[in-house]
Amino acid sequence: AQSVTQLGSHVSVSEGALVLLRCNYSSSVPPYLFWYVQYPNQGLQLLLKYTTGATLVKGINGFEAEFKKSETSFHLTKPSAHMSDAAEYFCAVTFGDSGTYKYIFGTGTRLKVLA
Amino acid sequence: GAVVSQHPSWVICKSGTSVKIECRSLDFQATTMFWYRQFPKQSLMLMATSNEGSKATYEQGVEKDKFLINHASLTLSTLTVTSAHPEDSSFYICSARGAGGPEVQYFGPGTRLTVT
Repeated sequence: AQSVTQLGSHVSVSEGALVLLRCNYSSSVPPYLFWYVQYPNQGLQLLLKYTTGATLVKGINGFEAEFKKSETSFHLTKPSAHMSDAAEYFCAVTFGDSGTYKYIFGTGTRLKVLA
Repeated sequence: GAVVSQHPSWVICKSGTSVKIECRSLDFQATTMFWYRQFPKQSLMLMATSNEGSKATYEQGVEKDKFLINHASLTLSTLTVTSAHPEDSSFYICSARGAGGPEVQYFGPGTRLTVT
């Protein structure tokens, strides 16, 4: 079955430190992968996506993610955390095999940035 | 580009009444829209997929008679929660597809529904 797993429901980092949020997926067909950020009481904002091509994807706000097929992973990183990065982050995966492209979301990781 | 709006952003209604939530794609035509429900501190749960001009497809376990979805135009989908009860209180988020490829969804800001 197709699924996505986010390791760590809560992650705390110091301001200026590396941010690493983990996402692994399970799929028998090529996935499309996404990272979204959600601030309190708001909708989801697309940070970045991987569809095809270059496996290292750069997004907004200094975030990037690398698609590693061999590890079935799509971890999100940012070299230096900022206080404004504190939010909930969701990894999502979809597939084109059925034509519906429904998203499967991970359970989310709440990022806390410590001053 | 690819902006999705929702109205209202929050609503309080009494138990037994119905409430309608609108989802609009402001600068693109959305052939498909999705409705999600999010419980506090949890992930998004897909409720239904709606295609313009056709009936919505509901996910397993979602009551289609309770959550009425209409997608009458390429820029508007509505979710009506009928005979609302306190357990329907939640954060409802819509998304739209149509710009940027079939695999990309653009999300609205969400609607907080509280049923008293």
